[in-house]
Amino acid sequence: AQSVTQLDSHVSVSEGTPVLLRCNYSSSYSPSLFWYVQHPNKGLQLLLKYTSAATLVKGINGFEAEFKKSETSFHLTKPSAHMSDAAEYFCVVSGLSGNTPLVFGKGTRLSVIA
Amino acid sequence: DGGITQSPKYLFRKEGQNVTLSCEQNLNHDAMYWYRQDPGQGLRLIYYSQIVNDFQKGDIAEGYSVSREKKESFPLTVTSAQKNPTAFYLCASRNLQGALHYGYTFGSGTRLTVV
Repeated sequence: AQSVTQLDSHVSVSEGTPVLLRCNYSSSYSPSLFWYVQHPNKGLQLLLKYTSAATLVKGINGFEAEFKKSETSFHLTKPSAHMSDAAEYFCVVSGLSGNTPLVFGKGTRLSVIA
Repeated sequence: DGGITQSPKYLFRKEGQNVTLSCEQNLNHDAMYWYRQDPGQGLRLIYYSQIVNDFQKGDIAEGYSVSREKKESFPLTVTSAQKNPTAFYLCASRNLQGALHYGYTFGSGTRLTVV
């Protein structure tokens, strides 16, 4: 079965410093992977996705993620944090087929300190 | 603009009452999903539907019911059998053609509170 583990429940960074949110996945095949962002009391918005093309994926708002098959990781990074980046972030892996629901990590709350 | 609309944004329920949360999409997506979100627990799947008049239970279906009479609509009823219904509920949809390459589109959520 597919699963995803977000290694930190909470990350705190200072404004202007780099962001690293860690995600490891488990899958019996080559999966699709996604990162979503959720601001308080809002729905989830797609940040970026990996679908077996380039392993370095660029998303919105300056975020990017690198798919590393040997490490089964898909960490999310941003060179310089902004106050507006404070939110909950979810790492997501595709199911066995398109008919199977996506599998969500438990989320990482990012705090940005001025 | 295409998207998913959830209503109401806030909902209050008395003990013992059933309530229905609305989810409508105009994206022509095949599949629709309901998730429950509690602090620190991520998203948990309640029900999903991939075709009209058919749906499947997710991980926490007890105390909930759904219907899919139209492709655009997937309402969720929280019944009195749901012992702890206070939560944030999210509806999502996805096109099943090429689905492995697509994520979900989410609505803005409904916050349900038992009073």
